[in-house]
Amino acid sequence: EVQLVESGGGLVQPGGSLRLSCAASGFTVSSNYMSWVRQAPGKGLEWVSVIYSGGSTYYADSVKGRFTISRDNSKNTLYLQMNSLRAEDTAVYYCARDLAAGTGWFDPWGQGTLVTVSS
Amino acid sequence: SSELTQDPAVSVALGQTVRITCQGDSLRSYYASWYQQKPGQAPVLVIYGKNNRPSGIPDRFSGSSSGNTASLTITGAQAEDEADYYCNSRDSSGNHHLYVFGTGTKVTVL
Repeated sequence: EVQLVESGGGLVQPGGSLRLSCAASGFTVSSNYMSWVRQAPGKGLEWVSVIYSGGSTYYADSVKGRFTISRDNSKNTLYLQMNSLRAEDTAVYYCARDLAAGTGWFDPWGQGTLVTVSS
Repeated sequence: SSELTQDPAVSVALGQTVRITCQGDSLRSYYASWYQQKPGQAPVLVIYGKNNRPSGIPDRFSGSSSGNTASLTITGAQAEDEADYYCNSRDSSGNHHLYVFGTGTKVTVL
């Protein structure tokens, strides 16, 4: 079964850092385009970042320079390193696989992990 | 970056048909995908590409596209279709490596 499981969310102070993990099963992370998508409380979906199978990475302007997407092929796991966190980064963070490279057809999604940035 | 605009809310009587639209310049270049999200749950892909349904998605869900508008149609809406729906595509303005989601539509089944 193709599945994604996120972890690493929690409460962090403004300016702090957090690393999210997304463990995959049923497919190989490094062979796929993988994205992070977030959803602030009561708001819509916002695409955050993508890592291509070839290793190229891209970011939404709202997180560029603060967040870093990466993967560990040996662990079949995707990561999102979040630095200089702000209150507006508070959201549920989902990881998702691009069903066909570069299309933005996201399937499956993980269950999400909540990040709260507050003092 | 590109923007995708959806109507905030629509309602449909049980068993009737509802169409949800998504407008944006990026849709002239890229197919949209559509996601269903129920409260407290992760989004689920329901339509992708020209008009493709992932395994397990009922055939009452269909998609279409014309110009800068993509549409998701639910034919014979069921109570379990009540949810938020989002469209998505690649960004066609500037950096084509980015993606954009629509503003979302809340569907209420009466």
